[in-house]
Amino acid sequence: SQQGEEDPQALSIQEGENATMNCSYKTSINNLQWYRQNSGRGLVHLILIRSNEREKHSGRLRVTLDTSKKSSSLLITASRAADTASYFCATAPLNTGFQKLVFGTGTRLLVSP
Amino acid sequence: GAGVSQSPSNKVTEKGKDVELRCDPISGHTALYWYRQSLGQGLEFLIYFQGNSAPDKSGLPSDRFSAERTGGSVSTLTIQRTQQEDSAVYLCASSLYAGETGNTIYFGEGSWLTVV
Repeated sequence: SQQGEEDPQALSIQEGENATMNCSYKTSINNLQWYRQNSGRGLVHLILIRSNEREKHSGRLRVTLDTSKKSSSLLITASRAADTASYFCATAPLNTGFQKLVFGTGTRLLVSP
Repeated sequence: GAGVSQSPSNKVTEKGKDVELRCDPISGHTALYWYRQSLGQGLEFLIYFQGNSAPDKSGLPSDRFSAERTGGSVSTLTIQRTQQEDSAVYLCASSLYAGETGNTIYFGEGSWLTVV
């Protein structure tokens, strides 16, 4: 079963706007990772946040993690058309070890020029 | 190599035939994973290899699915007697090692399997 659930399922914005995607999960985790997928092919790793971290930044990306609420958010600032893709969160549950990443069904982001 | 390499990129096969999908992980990575993604769905864990340890096969959906990893590097996922529900993108991934909270997992471009 999918542990991660992304919200919203789809998001449509204009270039330059910010995009926020949320992820909720069910069990305690070791870490949470965000990935981008273009056109249903390979996943590109964006950022990893450990369970003892609350916020991380990477370029235009900002990820937060709230383990008390079992949720994470991904913020893309000043979005570009090239950011159009599906975004997935993936958790490494404590009880299954680090290898079994559990993915949500993703948020489809459309950035219009 | 520079990234995880998978072949073939696309495979169309007839129902009942066997298929082999190949994965070449990033050089030096000891952990290798196979995931499956059905149309419009998230990724489903299939199997995991770590060094010389016995693989974790808990995600394989049926005994028609098997995987091996030779010499601790290249892996082959085999699907026997393919069924239409096997149609999906099969994604391979690798990581430096498993067992550390900051371990990043890198994915290949996937092999798109269509069973007709």
